Amino acid sequence: DAKTTQPPSMDCAEGRAANLPCNHSTISGNEYVYWYRQIHSQGPQYIIHGLKNNETNEMASLIITEDRKSSTLILPHATLRDTAVYYCIVRVSYSTLTFGKGTMLLVSP
Amino acid sequence: DAGVIQSPRHEVTEMGQEVTLRCKPISGHDYLFWYRQTMMRGLELLIYFNNNVPIDDSGMPEDRFSAKMPNASFSTLKIQPSEPRDSAVYFCASSFRRGDEQYFGPGTRLTVT
Repeated sequence: DAKTTQPPSMDCAEGRAANLPCNHSTISGNEYVYWYRQIHSQGPQYIIHGLKNNETNEMASLIITEDRKSSTLILPHATLRDTAVYYCIVRVSYSTLTFGKGTMLLVSP
Repeated sequence: DAGVIQSPRHEVTEMGQEVTLRCKPISGHDYLFWYRQTMMRGLELLIYFNNNVPIDDSGMPEDRFSAKMPNASFSTLKIQPSEPRDSAVYFCASSFRRGDEQYFGPGTRLTVT
């Protein structure tokens, strides 16, 4: 699976959009981009995934660049409950999950 | 559905004792995964099952660790004998198919003194 690079931490004001970047320059054509998050003292939670088109669900939006070498997870209106570690994972559909260090997002009042 | 259920939530034991962690996956999910999380190593996959059969146990650290899935609704992870370096949070997760999103349980925090 392709390696990903994420900033170790980010801050966001409550109510503002949180934009979390992920670089995956070695991604191959059949690899998907997955996002999970882990709120303190809880198990990881699936957020969204995509192949090459932008995706949106009730939790977030995923924007993948045309060359697929990077992506951005967008939380449109961050709340305090969105404070968590966010993991960007690149994988083929049949492989297991490999978690990196992720980005610690701190949402402040 | 109640989600993935793990027990106990917390376990404190002395070095050398046997520890058994339990997991009930979401009904209908064919895949079950065991992970371990520590500050030093992050979240690591230990083993996963498909239809109750172990598929890949390459992440199991050593022979002191064993996992079983006697039926579709129950799995155990056993450590015998336990050591202080086994202290970690152990997560169980399940999914309908291997590539689907995984649903994680709340974890078991293990402390070995």
